[in-house]
Amino acid sequence: DAGVIQSPRHEVTEMGQEVTLRCKPISGHDYLFWYRQTMMRGLELLIYFNNNVPIDDSGMPEDRFSAKMPNASFSTLKIQPSEPRDSAVYFCASSLSSDRPFYGYTFGSGTRLTVV
Amino acid sequence: QQQVKQSPQSLIVQKGGISIINCAYENTAFDYFPWYQQFPGKGPALLIAIRPDVSEKKEGRFTISFNKSAKQFSLHIMDSQPGDSATYFCAASNAGNMLTFGGGTRLMVKP
Repeated sequence: DAGVIQSPRHEVTEMGQEVTLRCKPISGHDYLFWYRQTMMRGLELLIYFNNNVPIDDSGMPEDRFSAKMPNASFSTLKIQPSEPRDSAVYFCASSLSSDRPFYGYTFGSGTRLTVV
Repeated sequence: QQQVKQSPQSLIVQKGGISIINCAYENTAFDYFPWYQQFPGKGPALLIAIRPDVSEKKEGRFTISFNKSAKQFSLHIMDSQPGDSATYFCAASNAGNMLTFGGGTRLMVKP
């Protein structure tokens, strides 16, 4: 398996533009998580899905952020409009709920977003 | 109740020394305690994990020590190498599919 695949690896955009980050989870995994990582705040959970359904989006900073999972193999995180304070590394992770014992998450390599 | 507190935030160790990172938790329902290692430009990756039925787990130079009564667990890296320089995250899970992460520790091992 190729692991969790994120694209793009790097994104530089101007303030006010729309940004879309993409994630392909490991095939068969039924949980998908979006995290944001910054020096100041560490790893923050933004939203997670179970079987393509959003379960908890309480970590989404504000209405400018939205996430979708139209099918089991694809998810997007969209920021519209983007702001400089959104600059961070965004990670996608997936896991399999039927793993017993539970072994944790597999993370993608992240998307480094810079908003100028 | 769901927090996992990790210390120190950063750590500098000489090559060959022992690196120690500590974590504390409040939720006694936690039953799985993994450590993740993250290199620059990469996502966190599972390094080693322990369940509360044992007090210690060792894999190579990496050891987790677990103190259930104190609700603390720690990662020890013996004979630390420059290649161990990374950010380390502790985490905890309670019989489900959710991990609660600590704040991370940036480890630098000087040659």
